[in-house]
Amino acid sequence: KNEVEQSPQNLTAQEGEFITINCSYSVGISALHWLQQHPGGGIVSLFMLSSGKKKHGRLIATINIQEKHSSLHITASHPRDSAVYICAGRSNTGNQFYFGTGTSLTVIP
Amino acid sequence: NAGVTQTPKFRILKIGQSMTLQCTQDMNHNYMYWYRQDPGMGLKLIYYSVGAGITDKGEVPNGYNVSRSTTEDFPLRLELAAPSQTSVYFCASSYSQPTREQYFGPGTRLTVT
Repeated sequence: KNEVEQSPQNLTAQEGEFITINCSYSVGISALHWLQQHPGGGIVSLFMLSSGKKKHGRLIATINIQEKHSSLHITASHPRDSAVYICAGRSNTGNQFYFGTGTSLTVIP
Repeated sequence: NAGVTQTPKFRILKIGQSMTLQCTQDMNHNYMYWYRQDPGMGLKLIYYSVGAGITDKGEVPNGYNVSRSTTEDFPLRLELAAPSQTSVYFCASSYSQPTREQYFGPGTRLTVT
């Protein structure tokens, strides 16, 4: 069993829909990292959060430490949001990141 | 800042050949990492380093070696390439504080035939 599990694995949405991607973890972590990987392969950082909620544009990330769960929300989705979204927990020692296998999102015009 | 740079972008190796993947970061990060990503799979940690002169194995270290002689550079060496090493390789770096994020290089697509 992976230390970090994501759901769903694949997600197709109509443009404009509200999207939620979930991430659960079973190990102690100091913070949770949300990343975006575009079809071209590059990986960019979206959020790093250790508590509460962060917002950037149409993206919102939340984390519940007690429940070991984080969510990434995309409001008013757009085809350019189509990508793989990856969550990763940073270990308490800071040495390593535990990665989920990613959620592949396709937003249809 | 250039961030994390990797070379080469693409490479084709024959079975048994060796090569070094280069990774450099200019953000003065202590921590550096090498990952591989197989098609449709998640990132797997090969090796990591918490500072110059210090390296440690990750989840899938067999067939690879690393060194960290400077803060900036963290090369990954493949000895005796095998088809199972066909993958996309990502280098990443971060500050040591546990709440700081990772920054990724653009990746190297390696094919071993």
